[in-house]
Amino acid sequence: GQQLNQSPQSMFIQEGEDVSMNCTSSSIFNTWLWYKQDPGEGPVLLIALYKAGELTSNGRLTAQFGITRKDSFLNISASIPSDVGIYFCAGPPAGSYQLTFGKGTKLSVIP
Amino acid sequence: NAGVTQTPKFQVLKTGQSMTLQCAQDMNHNSMYWYRQDPGMGLRLIYYSASEGTTDKGEVPNGYNVSRLNKREFSLRLESAAPSQTSVYFCASSEVGAGGEQYFGPGTRLTVT
Repeated sequence: GQQLNQSPQSMFIQEGEDVSMNCTSSSIFNTWLWYKQDPGEGPVLLIALYKAGELTSNGRLTAQFGITRKDSFLNISASIPSDVGIYFCAGPPAGSYQLTFGKGTKLSVIP
Repeated sequence: NAGVTQTPKFQVLKTGQSMTLQCAQDMNHNSMYWYRQDPGMGLRLIYYSASEGTTDKGEVPNGYNVSRLNKREFSLRLESAAPSQTSVYFCASSEVGAGGEQYFGPGTRLTVT
C-alpha cells in the first residue's frame, strides 16, 4: 500500500528554537494535510495544502506543498512548551479520498 | 458544535467478549471513518463509509464490523475481542470532495485481556 515517510521520528528542542519536519511519498498527492495530536487526544488538523508550491501559515506554523507533489514540509517557529505532541502528515493519493498517514514526528520542547 | 464524539472513552474487555464503539458527528459530513492507532504504526483505516448506506473495508478490517446507522452515526463492532485488538480507536468524518480533510474524535482506549 501507499507509504508516507515522515522524518525525523522524534526531536528534542529548546524552547524558542525553530523546528522543521518533512514528509515524502513514493507517488503524487493532490492534497497534503498536517495534524497535531496531544497526549490522550485525537489528531487536530493544523494546515491543509492544495496546490504544488503552496506555502500556508497558521500562526507560528508554516507548511509547504512540494513542487514535485511528492513531499511536504512543516516548520514551527519560536517553539513553546504547548507545541509538544506528535505531528502527522497525511494525504489522499491521487484519485482517492482515503487518507494515508505518516507515522508521526514526536516533538519534545525543553523549557 | 461538538464535532465528532465517541463513546466510551475507555474500555477493558476479556478475550471473546463483544462490544460496540459509538461515533457521532454534527458537521453534516457525508463520509465517516474508523481508524486504529498502535505505537509505531501510525493511524490505520479499519472501515469507512463514503456516504449514508455504504460501507467499505480499509487496510485492517479483520475482526471488525461497522454500521452506518444514519448520516450522523457510524458504529464499530468487535464480535469476539482478541488481545491484538488492544488499541486506541478513532472515528473521523469528512465532507466528500473536501480534499481529504478529516476531523477526528477524542478516541476510545480499548484493552483486551
